[in-house]
This record gives sequence, structure tokens and C-alpha cells, in this order.
Amino acid sequence: KNEVEQSPQNLTAQEGEFITINCSYSVGISALHWLQQHPGGGIVSLFMLSSGKKKHGRLIATINIQEKHSSLHITASHPRDSAVYICAVLSFNQFYFGTGTSLTVIP
Amino acid sequence: SQTIHQWPATLVQPVGSPLSLECTVEGTSNPNLYWYRQAAGRGLQLLFYSVGIGQISSEVPQNLSASRPQDRQFILSSKKLLLSDSGFYLCAWTRQRPYEQYFGPGTRLTVT
Repeated sequence: KNEVEQSPQNLTAQEGEFITINCSYSVGISALHWLQQHPGGGIVSLFMLSSGKKKHGRLIATINIQEKHSSLHITASHPRDSAVYICAVLSFNQFYFGTGTSLTVIP
Repeated sequence: SQTIHQWPATLVQPVGSPLSLECTVEGTSNPNLYWYRQAAGRGLQLLFYSVGIGQISSEVPQNLSASRPQDRQFILSSKKLLLSDSGFYLCAWTRQRPYEQYFGPGTRLTVT
């Protein structure tokens, strides 16, 4: 069993839709990251959080430490949001990664 | 501001040939450095991490090795590549705290 599980694996949405990507983890963590990987391969860090909620533009990330669960929300989705979204947790100085959620937003 | 460089961007190598991928970080000191591999359709796999010069930790047994000859330089090497070494290799760094990771642009390696 992977330390980090993401769902769904693939997601197709119409432009403007509200999107939720889920991440569950099984290890004790000091922080959780949401990463975005574009088709060319480059990875960008979207959020790092250890409690509560963070918002950046149309992106919102939440984490529930007790339930070991985090969600990434995208409001008013746009085709440029199409990418792979990866959840990663930091546990005892080591990162564990989910396999990613591939999001396609259709105009 | 901090910048992370990786080269080359793409590489095609025959089986049995050596490998050297380089990663450098600018604008920070004493970073934690990481090498990851992403096989096609799969998640990121941690290969090596380093918390200081000459300090390398390996996560999986393999024919790859890593070295950190300078504070902001991290090198991934192999003496003889295998077909299974093909993949997308990413270097990343974090500060000692608060651990937010910054990724390099990656090297796409194809072993033929």
C-alpha cells in the first residue's frame, strides 16, 4: 500500500466547473505539498500546508490532520489548469508522493 | 531569488554507457538536495537525498550513484546504464526549514 493515495486518477471537466482532488496518507507528517506538473514535465509547488486551509487565486488547499486527508479545489476551472496534480507528504525528513491526478479542462 | 538548474534537458544513451546528470542551485546555501525519477505513467520515486556536502542517502538499491562535491551541486551518475533507467529525472531542493520543495526542469533520459 502506498503511503499517499490520490483520487481520482484522471479527471475531465468543462471550463468553469469546480474541481476537487483528494489525497489521503497513512504516515505521520510535518507538512503536505500540492504540486502541479505540466505536460513538459516541469513541477511547480502550489501549496505547502500543515493545518487548516490556504488559498491562492482560484486554488484552495485544505488539510485535516486527524483524518489524514487533504483536498485541492480549483474554482472556475480553465483549460490552462490542465496538468497533473501531485500530493506529497513530508514525514521524518522524507517526501512521499502520490501518483498524481491528471486533469483535463475542456473549453 | 533562488534558481535550480539541471542539464542536459534530454539525453539518449545506449545500454551500458555511463551517465552523469548535474544539478546546481543558486541563491541559497546549505540546501537539502534530492534526486527523483519518474517512470512513464508513474509517480515520483526518491532516489537520493543529501543534507550536506559528501552526505548522501540512498532510498532504493540500483546501479545509480549520487555525489555532492559542493554545497549547491548534486550529481547523479551511473557506470553502466540499463534499459530500466529510462525516465524523467528531477532534482529538487529545500531549505532546512520550512521544507517547501523547488524542482528543477528535469532531464528526460532514454536508454536504447
